[in-house]
Amino acid sequence: IQLTQSPSFLSASVGDRVTITCRASQGISSVLAWYQEKAGKAPKLLIYSASTLQSGVPSRFSGSGSGTDFTLTISSLQPEDFATYYCLQLSTYPLTFGGGTKVEIK
Amino acid sequence: EVQLLESGGGLVHPGGSLRLSCAASGFTLKNNAMTWVRQTPRKGLDWVSVIGTADVDTFYADSVKGRFTISRDSSKNTLYLQMNNLGAEDTAIYFCARFSIGTGRRYFDPWGQGTLVTVSS
Repeated sequence: IQLTQSPSFLSASVGDRVTITCRASQGISSVLAWYQEKAGKAPKLLIYSASTLQSGVPSRFSGSGSGTDFTLTISSLQPEDFATYYCLQLSTYPLTFGGGTKVEIK
Repeated sequence: EVQLLESGGGLVHPGGSLRLSCAASGFTLKNNAMTWVRQTPRKGLDWVSVIGTADVDTFYADSVKGRFTISRDSSKNTLYLQMNNLGAEDTAIYFCARFSIGTGRRYFDPWGQGTLVTVSS
């Protein structure tokens, strides 16, 4: 199953609402997670089961979707949110990540 | 506290082998599915392998099938990744993570800090 993330890069300002999409090449129900990656650190789990916020993750992060189309939304971008974001499908082997979305400061 | 600590990375020549280790603390490895994921600047995150709660249940990315072997030693609470016939495309930071599987729930968390593997002559 291929995951196509868009955009691959976006430039935004603090306070902006940001939406990242992830499209699966076939249906995966809601078996999708979102991760935040920063240089030199392990990926951080943000969302699992497409829309469940991981404990300790700020509520400005939210996820939605099922089947083939998913979104990650950051309601008000904060300085610490500038990072790269990945979706991951855990429905079918081989498991696959999206290509990533790099969020940079405008 | 649940923690994972990888080791075993380093510089290896093309065609060489390396074994990565992932020592777990705060939980029992044999009761959990585990995974290896690698990260490169060019490709981003790339799933490598999973071992289920039963040691015979193993899964691999097509790119490593036949070359890499995932295993664990329950007595040492340690996960391994044996990597053979390494190529430049295997150069990456390798992470281990716990694969949580439950009703309506699947995700990788927590992760270790990663270990760097460099394949170069």
